[in-house]
Amino acid sequence: EAQVTQNPRYLITVTGKKLTVTCSQNMNHEYMSWYRQDPGLGLRQIYYSMNVEVTDKGDVPEGYKVSRKEKRNFPLILESPSPNQTSLYFCASSLEGPRGTQETQYFGPGTRLLVL
Amino acid sequence: AQKITQTQPGMFVQEKEAVTLDCTYDTSDQSYGLFWYKQPSSGEMIFLIYQGSYDEQNATEGRYSLNFQKARKSANLVISASQLGDSAMYFCAMREGGSYIPTFGRGTSLIVHP
Repeated sequence: EAQVTQNPRYLITVTGKKLTVTCSQNMNHEYMSWYRQDPGLGLRQIYYSMNVEVTDKGDVPEGYKVSRKEKRNFPLILESPSPNQTSLYFCASSLEGPRGTQETQYFGPGTRLLVL
Repeated sequence: AQKITQTQPGMFVQEKEAVTLDCTYDTSDQSYGLFWYKQPSSGEMIFLIYQGSYDEQNATEGRYSLNFQKARKSANLVISASQLGDSAMYFCAMREGGSYIPTFGRGTSLIVHP
């Protein structure tokens, strides 16, 4: 089954404790991205990756890091989480980037993060 | 200025009726893509429909259609024959020609009642 998986689905942590949210897709997609969703703000892109070892900042990259060492995986790293990073996070992938024709993004199930 | 505007925070519709969710966008690019996503209460984001700026016909996917009015810069989602399972948040999004960063609207909450 074609899917995007994220782990963990729910996470409660404390300020400053490094954490990683994993994202994996099994569709051989080149383009992957991370979003955060906050009430009343819709989704905002954090980082995206056009292929292995190619990443770039989205609209709200501050406080986050990413890496793309393998095509299927795109982890999101919070080196020192703060309460303002409490949010719902989505990973997404597509065959091509937004400028391509195969640009439908498939989203993971989301990760609810609470930073105390 | 917001690039994507969804003016309806909430909508109610009776089961089996059609409903239109509004979306207007702002761009100076000639090439762009417009998307609609559904987010049920369980939280996942589900792709519904896509319209490219050069597509001459309105996109349709089953009960979903996109009423694309380029001159008005609107891309309204029409759901025909609403079902109880259509109750969800709906997001409109746009990708501009030179960008890898899509912009999402703030969403419209749709409630379908029997």
